[in-house]
Amino acid sequence: DAKTTQPTSMDCAEGRAANLPCNHSTISGNEYVYWYRQIHSQGPQYIIHGLKNNETNEMASLIITEDRKSSTLILPHATLRDTAVYYCIVTRFTGGTSYGKLTFGQGTILTVHP
Amino acid sequence: NAGVTQTPKFRILKIGQSMTLQCTQDMNHNYMYWYRQDPGMGLKLIYYSVGAGITDKGEVPNGYNVSRSTTEDFPLRLELAAPSQTSVYFCASSYLPSTNEKLFFGSGTQLSVL
Repeated sequence: DAKTTQPTSMDCAEGRAANLPCNHSTISGNEYVYWYRQIHSQGPQYIIHGLKNNETNEMASLIITEDRKSSTLILPHATLRDTAVYYCIVTRFTGGTSYGKLTFGQGTILTVHP
Repeated sequence: NAGVTQTPKFRILKIGQSMTLQCTQDMNHNYMYWYRQDPGMGLKLIYYSVGAGITDKGEVPNGYNVSRSTTEDFPLRLELAAPSQTSVYFCASSYLPSTNEKLFFGSGTQLSVL
């Protein structure tokens, strides 16, 4: 699976948009970009994923560049409860026993302040 | 909606002791996983299972054993606890093979080996 690079930490004011970048310059054509987050002392929580098109759901938006070498997770109106570690993961859909073998790096610590 | 349930939440072991971390899910997911998370680090896959009776090693399997006798349960066994196994353990599950690597995580078991 392709390696990802994320900033160690970021700050965001409550009510503003939080834009979390992720570089994955070695991504291959059949690899997906996934985002999870982990609120302190809890298990990781799925946020969103995409292949090459931008995606939006009730939690966030995912913007993937045209060359797919980077992406941005957008939390449109950050709240204090969005303070968490955010993981960008790139993984290949190969079928069989590859599922769940997600490589969680150290992620980005997002702090939302009042 | 219980989801993925892990027990116990906390445990302290002495070196050489053994214990079983319990994990059960009520979503009828075929795929189940065990991860560990050391302080300040990302998650590492220990073992995973693609269905009842089928298990396989992940990235860091040494010192652990698993079994999968039912779809619902996926216990993790530590036979001879060592200080290096001090960590937070997360169990996760996911549905049938698809392009959606949406894992559902339990709330974790914090284990200290002294």
